[in-house]
Amino acid sequence: KAGVTQTPRYLIKTRGQQVTLSCSPISGHRSVSWYQQTPGQGLQFLFEYFSETQRNKGNFPGRFSGRQFSNSRSEMNVSTLELGDSALYLCASSLGGSYNSPLHFGNGTRLTVT
Amino acid sequence: DAKTTQPNSMESNEEEPVHLPCNHSTISGTDYIHWYRQLPSQGPEYVIHGLTSNVNNRMASLAIAEDRKSSTLILHRATLRDAAVYYCILRDVRDFGNEKLTFGTGTRLTIIP
Repeated sequence: KAGVTQTPRYLIKTRGQQVTLSCSPISGHRSVSWYQQTPGQGLQFLFEYFSETQRNKGNFPGRFSGRQFSNSRSEMNVSTLELGDSALYLCASSLGGSYNSPLHFGNGTRLTVT
Repeated sequence: DAKTTQPNSMESNEEEPVHLPCNHSTISGTDYIHWYRQLPSQGPEYVIHGLTSNVNNRMASLAIAEDRKSSTLILHRATLRDAAVYYCILRDVRDFGNEKLTFGTGTRLTIIP
């Protein structure tokens, strides 16, 4: 079974630009969640989608948005990039129907904003 | 969210057992204890979870104190590939379908050859 796939692996953008990251979940998983990882703040929850609907949202500004398609694939968009947005962005998928179904993470997209 | 406390770092010799502690003194009766680990340059990986009883799987064992205020992840025979940051996380059963995980700072495990 293929794991969670995130593309691209690396991105370099300049301040003010926007970026779109992609996540393909494990087949059959309906929940996709996104996390930001930085050395200073660690792993922080961004948002979670289930059946194309956002169910949960973390404490991030509106510049961070996402969506989920009918095939459960998800995209995350960051507009008006700031230097502080440089981070590893991780997505995770799960069945979503049970409180104790484990999350399966991809290896992330490393975004550098210059 | 109930909080967990873990040592910042630990070292262990290769092929020895490793006991990674986690304190969660404010745990509620509906909190499950989950462990994830993050190997270098990878996303976090699920290791094990439990509620009250000790649990075993192919990766590790989870020992839960009788009062549930602490737990220990046990790697029975550490290898160099077990070098990672280990996160102890509480998930409340009342958050049915809530896929949000709250990560702490974790324990950085170093394996000495």
